[in-house]
Amino acid sequence: GDSVTQMEGPVTLSEEAFLTINCTYTATGYPSLFWYVQYPGEGLQLLLKATKADDKGSNKGFEATYRKETTSFHLEKGSVQVSDSAVYFCALIRISGTYKYIFGTGTRLKVLA
Amino acid sequence: DSGVTQTPKHLITATGQRVTLRCSPRSGDLSVYWYQQSLDQGLQFLIQYYNGEERAKGNILERFSAQQFPDLHSELNLSSLELGDSALYFCASSEQGTVGTDTQYFGPGTRLTVL
Repeated sequence: GDSVTQMEGPVTLSEEAFLTINCTYTATGYPSLFWYVQYPGEGLQLLLKATKADDKGSNKGFEATYRKETTSFHLEKGSVQVSDSAVYFCALIRISGTYKYIFGTGTRLKVLA
Repeated sequence: DSGVTQTPKHLITATGQRVTLRCSPRSGDLSVYWYQQSLDQGLQFLIQYYNGEERAKGNILERFSAQQFPDLHSELNLSSLELGDSALYFCASSEQGTVGTDTQYFGPGTRLTVL
């Protein structure tokens, strides 16, 4: 069945370090891929998305490229800030056949000053 | 602030009881989604409504039901509650509900505790 696998956290980095959070997926058809961020005590916010292979989503310095050949959608940021500390969710929405919304387990990021 | 409101913020109840969670979407949004977030199951999609009609169904138990009203607000009804239903329930809304491309805006959630 469809699934999303994220690297386990927590990920602890110093400010200005490079961030990578890995996400791989399994799906039939042509899913859209998303990264959401959840700050403490809040709901999820869409961070970026990509709807087809080779699309690059970007927002607030974060980037992720939809790689169909490796079924991956890794999240990257060149220089993290303390304010980036949050939980990051990779998600898949399959749009062929029945609709499926699948979220990864989330990766907690802690950025230290 | 996403513009999506959920009430109540917290709910404490006993096993076997029934509760109703309410969600008001952003102004102009036609689609509402419900999610359950728990420590053991993670974030799970429950159900989506678009303009009053059910659009997509996820891992929603038979004890749970939802509806979207003509004014577009939605309610999630949970009955015969069990300890395992304790979770954070999120509502999200989007403009059209076009699966795969519409941006969903999440509310702050309702924390349900079943004792």
